Amino acid sequence: SQKIEQNSEALNIQEGKTATLTCNYTNYSPAYLQWYRQDPGRGPVFLLLIRENEKEKRKERLKVTFDTTLKQSLFHITASQPADSATYLCALVRGSTLGRLYFGRGTQLTVWP
Amino acid sequence: NAGVTQTPKFQVLKTGQSMTLQCAQDMNHNSMYWYRQDPGMGLRLIYYSASEGTTDKGEVPNGYNVSRLNKREFSLRLESAAPSQTSVYFCASSGGQGAGTDTQYFGPGTRLTVL
Repeated sequence: SQKIEQNSEALNIQEGKTATLTCNYTNYSPAYLQWYRQDPGRGPVFLLLIRENEKEKRKERLKVTFDTTLKQSLFHITASQPADSATYLCALVRGSTLGRLYFGRGTQLTVWP
Repeated sequence: NAGVTQTPKFQVLKTGQSMTLQCAQDMNHNSMYWYRQDPGMGLRLIYYSASEGTTDKGEVPNGYNVSRLNKREFSLRLESAAPSQTSVYFCASSGGQGAGTDTQYFGPGTRLTVL
């Protein structure tokens, strides 16, 4: 079965530093991989999508990389701010079941001043 | 636009009771989804509807039924609630018919406790 692992349950960093979150997957090759942000008591919100033939995607202070050889995606937040504190979820889409997302458990990021 | 709305926001049930969670979207999306989120388990897909008139089982469908009432509305029913169904339930929608690239838009969630 598909397994998606996010590197740690919690990550604490100082404001201004770069946060790096890891998403590893096994058994299947995803067609796409997405990253979502979830604040306490709210539903996830989409941030970025990267396709299997793309190595890197950027949006403002966010950057996502995708290494299909390592079966890994890295999510970077540069110049982090306390407002970036949230849980970040990776989700992959398999080519055989387009439209369905398989979510990791998430990494809770805390950015302290 | 309200996006994806869910009712109720909170609910407490006794074991064996039934209830229906309602979800509606105003984005003219074709696909709709029901997830549950439990501590340490992440989001798991219960059922989804790729288009009006179709529904399919997800990862954890047992104990649930769904109805795609029309393009806007997708309801989730618990016929006989069990404590194991205590969870936060999220409804989501996306634009394509299983296009895969479509991002999903989530509702605010329903927090359900089964005693």
